Amino acid sequence: GQNIDQPTEMTATEGAIVQINCTYQTSGFNGLFWYQQHAGEAPTFLSYNVLDGLEEKGRFSSFLSRSKGYSYLLLKELQMKDSASYLCAVRDPNNAGNMLTFGGGTRLMVKP
Amino acid sequence: NAGVTQTPKFRVLKTGQSMTLLCAQDMNHEYMYWYRQDPGMGLRLIHYSVGEGTTAKGEVPDGYNVSRLKKQNFLLGLESAAPSQTSVYFCASSRGQGISFFGQGTRLTVV
Repeated sequence: GQNIDQPTEMTATEGAIVQINCTYQTSGFNGLFWYQQHAGEAPTFLSYNVLDGLEEKGRFSSFLSRSKGYSYLLLKELQMKDSASYLCAVRDPNNAGNMLTFGGGTRLMVKP
Repeated sequence: NAGVTQTPKFRVLKTGQSMTLLCAQDMNHEYMYWYRQDPGMGLRLIHYSVGEGTTAKGEVPDGYNVSRLKKQNFLLGLESAAPSQTSVYFCASSRGQGISFFGQGTRLTVV
């Protein structure tokens, strides 16, 4: 089966750095995605990792360790607009035709 | 620059009623998906399609049917709505198994 775990909620201060962790246990692995979802809106793509290491994209970075079944999303120089839910999703070739399985999401609250 | 469009955005149904949710994408994507999102449970895949005329079951298909008669449209049907189907429904599409683009969601309440 599929198991993807993320913290339910996190709080951080404007201007700070926050790390959102995601651990997964899947029978196969074919990539990990991070999506951002503001309240009442659609999820939007943030980053994709398929090989071990760090992918950097502006203020956002994502790290993957396949051997540990672990990823994190790093948000730097936090802004109020970063208050949102962050969804971790894994593509598993053994699951429903290589479809994505999502974790429950981490709701990040950025305070002044 | 529409992307993925879902209709309707909100709907209230009585138990036992039927309805169809429409998803349309203008990006010429082969893959389309229907998810439901419930508090604390993330997005769960209901059905998906890898091309026109094909559909397949996802993680939670019971109580739903789908059709993909045209490449740009993916319809989700509820034949006999139940309160357990109260949820926010998201449609998404992707080029192959790349990045998924999501619609704005349909908030469905079954009373």
